[in-house]
Amino acid sequence: QVRLVQSGTEVKKPGSSVKLSCKASGGTFSDNVLNWVRQAPGQGLEWMGEIIPVFNKPTYAQKVRGRITISVDGSTGTAYMEVSSLTSEDTAVYYCAQSKGGSHSWDSWGQGTLVTVSS
Amino acid sequence: SYVLTQPPSESVAPGQTARIPCGGNNIEIKSVHWYQQKPGQAPVLVVYDGADRPSGIPERFSGSNSGNTATLSISRVEAGDEADYYCQVYDGSGDLWVFGGGTKLTVL
Repeated sequence: QVRLVQSGTEVKKPGSSVKLSCKASGGTFSDNVLNWVRQAPGQGLEWMGEIIPVFNKPTYAQKVRGRITISVDGSTGTAYMEVSSLTSEDTAVYYCAQSKGGSHSWDSWGQGTLVTVSS
Repeated sequence: SYVLTQPPSESVAPGQTARIPCGGNNIEIKSVHWYQQKPGQAPVLVVYDGADRPSGIPERFSGSNSGNTATLSISRVEAGDEADYYCQVYDGSGDLWVFGGGTKLTVL
């Protein structure tokens, strides 16, 4: 099973951007799909978007479309998600998770990255 | 967009069976996945495609899906099962993926 390792805690000012990373052990995502979700303090899981690394094709949730960019570096097996125009409502733990695509379940998750947005 | 509804909390005594519902319009035609999340940890897949278990997940965890309700059942509940449980489906239109609001399972 692929292990996903995420980048460390971030503290950002309102209006700034943050770029998170998610690296696959073994250095490849193979044919899998990489998803991003977030969890605000005390809240549930919110899907943000996914990318098919083989095609470098992202799809975004409606709520955050235009404010996030998901990309992948196939040479290093690392996925990225950049969130811009941060507000306090973006304070959350951000997780990456892998699936086989389509309606398949997410069987590998990263450990999560805490992003705190505060002035 | 598709909506999944879960009760915020459920309580069960040790050794009993917990049943956590997940409501959605005609959910029986969808593949429902269930995740367990303990405090400070990432979610873990416990049931996929409605009723299948990943390797390493105890047989005590099972799932069913009929009509407008999918259900995660946990038999012979243990203290270690206390966690938040989320259902998930692939919608494919609008937002691709939808999660239920989560159910906090308390073992009395």
